[in-house]
Amino acid sequence: QKEVEQDPGPLSVPEGAIVSLNCTYSNSAFQYFMWYRQYSRKGPELLMYTYSSGNKEDGRFTAQVDKSSKYISLFIRDSQPSDSATYLCAMWPSGTYKYIFGTGTRLKVLA
Amino acid sequence: NAGVTQTPKFRVLKTGQSMTLLCAQDMNHEYMYWYRQDPGMGLRLIHYSVGEGTTAKGEVPDGYNVSRLKKQNFLLGLESAAPSQTSVYFCASLRALGDTQYFGPGTRLTVL
Repeated sequence: QKEVEQDPGPLSVPEGAIVSLNCTYSNSAFQYFMWYRQYSRKGPELLMYTYSSGNKEDGRFTAQVDKSSKYISLFIRDSQPSDSATYLCAMWPSGTYKYIFGTGTRLKVLA
Repeated sequence: NAGVTQTPKFRVLKTGQSMTLLCAQDMNHEYMYWYRQDPGMGLRLIHYSVGEGTTAKGEVPDGYNVSRLKKQNFLLGLESAAPSQTSVYFCASLRALGDTQYFGPGTRLTVL
């Protein structure tokens, strides 16, 4: 079983839709959670960073962490064609060097 | 402030050839990582460094060597390239464990 599971998609939505991207994990030692956006042929760039259960909002993006269910989500409101990219979740268990990445969900927002 | 840069951006090698990938960061970060990214497999850690002069193996280190002679640079070497090393290579740096990683733009390597 992988430490982090992420649906690879692709996920196609119309412009303006609310998008929900999810990751589940199995290791309760994960303390910090990140979402990265990766455009085609580019490096991942950080979108959201959180370490506690609950919601964190930044503009059209909301990151949600449920440690009891070992589940994290990224919501994108009013999605735009420019949001079309692959979204990677990442987690860090305290006390180690290794970050665990999901395989990424490919999102396409149709104009 | 360039962040993390990688050279070259693209490279085609023949089996058995060697090459070095260069990663440079201008954020004075202690930690630097080398990953490879393959379809369906996500980012896999090759080697990492916790400071100048230090290196350590990640989860897929075979066939690669690294050096960190200067804090701002992290070099990844392929001594004898194999087709299985065809991949996109990303370097990342971070200030401290638990912090966010800053990624470079990647090097796309093809080994024929």
